[in-house]
Amino acid sequence: AQSVAQPEDQVNVAEGNPLTVKCTYSVSGNPYLFWYVQYPNRGLQFLLKYITGDNLVKGSYGFEAEFNKSQTSFHLKKPSALVSDSALYFCAVRVSNAGNNRKLIWGLGTSLAVNP
Amino acid sequence: NAGVTQTPKFQVLKTGQSMTLQCAQDMNHEYMSWYRQDPGMGLRLIHYSVGAGITDQGEVPNGYNVSRSTTEDFPLRLLSAAPSQTSVYFCASSYSAATGDNSPLHFGNGTRLTVT
Repeated sequence: AQSVAQPEDQVNVAEGNPLTVKCTYSVSGNPYLFWYVQYPNRGLQFLLKYITGDNLVKGSYGFEAEFNKSQTSFHLKKPSALVSDSALYFCAVRVSNAGNNRKLIWGLGTSLAVNP
Repeated sequence: NAGVTQTPKFQVLKTGQSMTLQCAQDMNHEYMSWYRQDPGMGLRLIHYSVGAGITDQGEVPNGYNVSRSTTEDFPLRLLSAAPSQTSVYFCASSYSAATGDNSPLHFGNGTRLTVT
């Protein structure tokens, strides 16, 4: 079965330190990978995506993610965390042969807490 | 530019009541969808639409109906509310519904529904 795993329910990091939020996937076909962020009482917001090309993708708010095909991972990173980065982060994948339903497979989310 | 607008923000229903969750987008997006978000379950797709007059089922369609009479609007109807439908509901849209398109989803801020 196709799936996305975010192995950590919560990540804690000190402000100014680098952060990593992990995502691994298991799909057949070529994956299209996405990261979204959800602030309290808000909808999800798109951060970045990997479709093809350079394995390092840069996105909004200084975030970046590295696609690793051999490890089937797409970890989200930021060199220096801000308190305002505290939120819920979701990884999602769409397979290239998914047809017209735009169906995304979602991870369960990782809660990021950045401590001042 | 309002983006994706959902109403109401909060709703309490009694078992057996019906109601409609409204979703409107002003971005001329082809694709629209409804998700529910539950703790420990992540995001689950209820119904989606690839254009006016075209709708289809997602992962968890039972108990919900949708219609898409215009490009802008995609209401979600609960026919006979049940406690299992207590959740946060998100409407999301994207620019194109074309196969292979990977434009990001734009989410509304959600409707928090409680069924007693």
